[in-house]
Parts: sequence; C-alpha cells; structure tokens
Amino acid sequence: AQKVTQAQTEISVVEKEDVTLDCVYETRDTTYYLFWYKQPPSGELVFLIRRNSFDEQNEISGRYSWNFQKSTSSFNFTITASQVVDSAVYFCALSEAEVGGAGSYQLTFGKGTKLSVIP
Amino acid sequence: DTGVSQDPRHKITKRGQNVTFRCDPISEHNRLYWYRQTLGQGPEFLTYFQNEAQLEKSRLLSDRFSAERPKGSFSTLEIQRTEQGDSAMYLCASSFLSGPGTDTQYFGPGTRLTVL
Repeated sequence: AQKVTQAQTEISVVEKEDVTLDCVYETRDTTYYLFWYKQPPSGELVFLIRRNSFDEQNEISGRYSWNFQKSTSSFNFTITASQVVDSAVYFCALSEAEVGGAGSYQLTFGKGTKLSVIP
Repeated sequence: DTGVSQDPRHKITKRGQNVTFRCDPISEHNRLYWYRQTLGQGPEFLTYFQNEAQLEKSRLLSDRFSAERPKGSFSTLEIQRTEQGDSAMYLCASSFLSGPGTDTQYFGPGTRLTVL
C-alpha cells in the first residue's frame, strides 16, 4: 500500500527566511508520480508541481525548489525568501500508475504541513 | 479556462437527510475525481470517472454514497441518510489524460458539509 508521511505538522518562520518541507513516501511500484499542493486559508487546493518516478531531476520555479531522491524515498520542497503569502497548508501526494492504464488515478495525500510566515 | 466549480459551497443538514453535491470539471477534462477531507487531514480518495464510466471506488464509499457522471461532463455525489461522521469537505478534481503520466488533477473549492 502506498503511504505519504509529512512529519512536520506546523512550521513558523520569519519572512525572508528559507524553509524546507519534508515528504517521505512508500510505494511498491516502480512507476509512480509525486505532487505538491498548496491549500491557503480559502481552502482550495492549488497544484504546484508533479514529478514522475523516472525523472529524478530537481526543479526550481522562482522561489520554489524541489529535491527528489529515490534512494531515500523523499520529495522535499524548499521555499526561498519566504513571504507572508506563502502561509498555507502544503500537501505532498503520491499516485501509483494505473494497472493496465496510462494514468495516475487516485492520489494518496500526507497529513500536510501548516506553514506560517510571520512578517 | 475556468477552473473546477462545485455547488453548493456549504451545506448544513440534519442527520438522516439526503444531500447531493455537484461538480463541473474543467472543460474537456475527461477524468473527474471525488475526495473527502476532514479537519487536520489530507484529502482521501472516494471515487473517479473516466468520461461517464466509474472506474474505481474506495472502501470509504459506503452504500449510502453514490456518484454519477451521466454524460461525461458534470458529476453528482449523493449521500443518503447522512450521519454526523459525514461532516467534511468534499472536494472534486478533474484532469485530462492524453498520454502516460499526463493527468494532473486540478481541484475545485470544495463543498463543506455539516451534519447536525
């Protein structure tokens, strides 16, 4: 069975500090997909990034960067120079490849990390 | 492109009543998913459709829950004889599967259900 662990329940940082959100996953599949979503106080889940298991390249998008390491089953998310608008709950999610299909179907989410950025 | 929309945004009902939620996916998305999220937890998968076919149902989806996507566009989720434990945020997501590993799910704002 697949599982996602986000050990950090809540993190508080002062604005402009860097912060890393940890994500550890478990799966028996060799093909799988990893995601990060942001859930601001308004409640709507916002897609941030998708990473396929066969692509271990790290990615940077503006102040956001992601470190995917298959050897440790981790997919960590770093925000550089945090801003108050980054305050939200961040979810890491895993999807195994469909049996006999081409898609990634159901997502298994971690419990989320609540990030508070203090001005 | 408009995003996923859900209606209603909030629903308060009494225990034992039936409720129905609607989800309109992003236009031309062929896959639609339902999740449930309780306070302090991540969303949990309930069921999903490819076009009008329901492909998978979670064990969380008891017999009181039924979902449909009759014409492969919008979907409805009905809960019969609601219980207080059904109180949660019900999230809908949609995606477009065009090839292996392409179907990223985009979520709607959710319907918050409170069962008194």
